[in-house]
Amino acid sequence: ELKVEQNPLFLSMQEGKNYTIYCNYSTTSDRLYWYRQDPGKSLESLFVLLSNGAVKQEGRLMASLDTKARLSTLHITAAVHDLSATYFCAVDRVNTDKLIFGTGTRLQVFP
Amino acid sequence: ETGVTQSPTHLIKTRGQQVTLRCSSQSGHNTVSWYQQALGQGPQFIFQYYREEENGRGNFPPRFSGLQFPNYSSELNVNALELDDSALYLCASSLGQAGGGYTFGSGTRLTVV
Repeated sequence: ELKVEQNPLFLSMQEGKNYTIYCNYSTTSDRLYWYRQDPGKSLESLFVLLSNGAVKQEGRLMASLDTKARLSTLHITAAVHDLSATYFCAVDRVNTDKLIFGTGTRLQVFP
Repeated sequence: ETGVTQSPTHLIKTRGQQVTLRCSSQSGHNTVSWYQQALGQGPQFIFQYYREEENGRGNFPPRFSGLQFPNYSSELNVNALELDDSALYLCASSLGQAGGGYTFGSGTRLTVV
């Protein structure tokens, strides 16, 4: 059974600092996704990573994928308060189209 | 191009009642998946519909059922509601095996009292 684990579960960081969220998954997967969720809101797609070594960046967020290690990272550079949210990674397989989500990382950025 | 729309946005039901949630998929998407997200947890896959047929189901009891219509919109029905069914229900549309990612709706917040 495909399982997805994220760490840390909670992250409180100061503005301007850098940090990385880790996402491990248990078996071979075709695609890895990162989502952002604000309290009480739906999921906002951030990145889709399709192949080993894939790296994508948007603003202060950069995601990477190592399929051999079954690991994805979401790196935050020079955090700002607007990045405060819960971040989920998720994986799926092309033939199933079923997303398996991680536990989520609740990020709080303070001044 | 329209996104995924869900209705209603909020709903309060009594234990034992039945509820129907609705989802209109993004234009051109033929696959709809439903997820349940309990407070403080990640979304859990309920089931998926592809071209009006159920195409995969998660670990949810039969009182969770669904439909997909010819225009690819979908319904989620839950019978005999329990307190633990209180959650945010998310609908996602996609292009099925053609890939291209998922588009999530804004969700329906169901509270069972």
